[in-house]
Amino acid sequence: DGGITQSPKYLFRKEGQNVTLSCEQNLNHDAMYWYRQDPGQGLRLIYYSQIVNDFQKGDIAEGYSVSREKKESFPLTVTSAQKNPTAFYLCASTPGGMAYNSPLHFGNGTRLTVT
Amino acid sequence: AQSVTQPDIHITVSEGASLELRCNYSYGATPYLFWYVQSPGQGLQLLLKYFSGDTLVQGIKGFEAEFKRSQSSFNLRKPSVHWSDAAEYFCAVGDNFGNEKLTFGTGTRLTIIP
Repeated sequence: DGGITQSPKYLFRKEGQNVTLSCEQNLNHDAMYWYRQDPGQGLRLIYYSQIVNDFQKGDIAEGYSVSREKKESFPLTVTSAQKNPTAFYLCASTPGGMAYNSPLHFGNGTRLTVT
Repeated sequence: AQSVTQPDIHITVSEGASLELRCNYSYGATPYLFWYVQSPGQGLQLLLKYFSGDTLVQGIKGFEAEFKRSQSSFNLRKPSVHWSDAAEYFCAVGDNFGNEKLTFGTGTRLTIIP
């Protein structure tokens, strides 16, 4: 079955360390997204990519970086510059439309805890 | 800028009872509207979407939603809930100006009591 795989499910890091979250999809989708979810808040867009080797900042990109070297992979690095990195991170994709009119397919998320 | 309001943070209903989750949006034109469901520790799954046409849309798991332009609402309904419907529900709105802006509401957590 096709889907989105996020790994690891839980991640623990010390403050000041960079950490990379993995997102792989075998849906052959063109567009991929990273969202951050905090308790009591909706999802907020960090970065998105509509095509290989191209990506754009979302609403809360500061302290994060991404790459899109392959269609199926869109890793997210949480840098030490991110002031409050502890959160639940969700990766998503769409077949080729835009997120505003094409349903998102989500992975099961990575819960990052930074102490 | 568009916005989405889900006024109910937490709703508790009895199994077998009807359900209505509220969603109000602020947007100038006809928006693209979505309802997603999230089980604990999981990603989100699309329940249904409205782009145009019939204002009553059917989704998966027996859910439906009605777009009411006059009230700027897109409420989610189910005639009889099951214990497995316990989850968090998110309404989302997209604009059609060619950007990736999809705005999510803050979610409504649904608890089912036997």
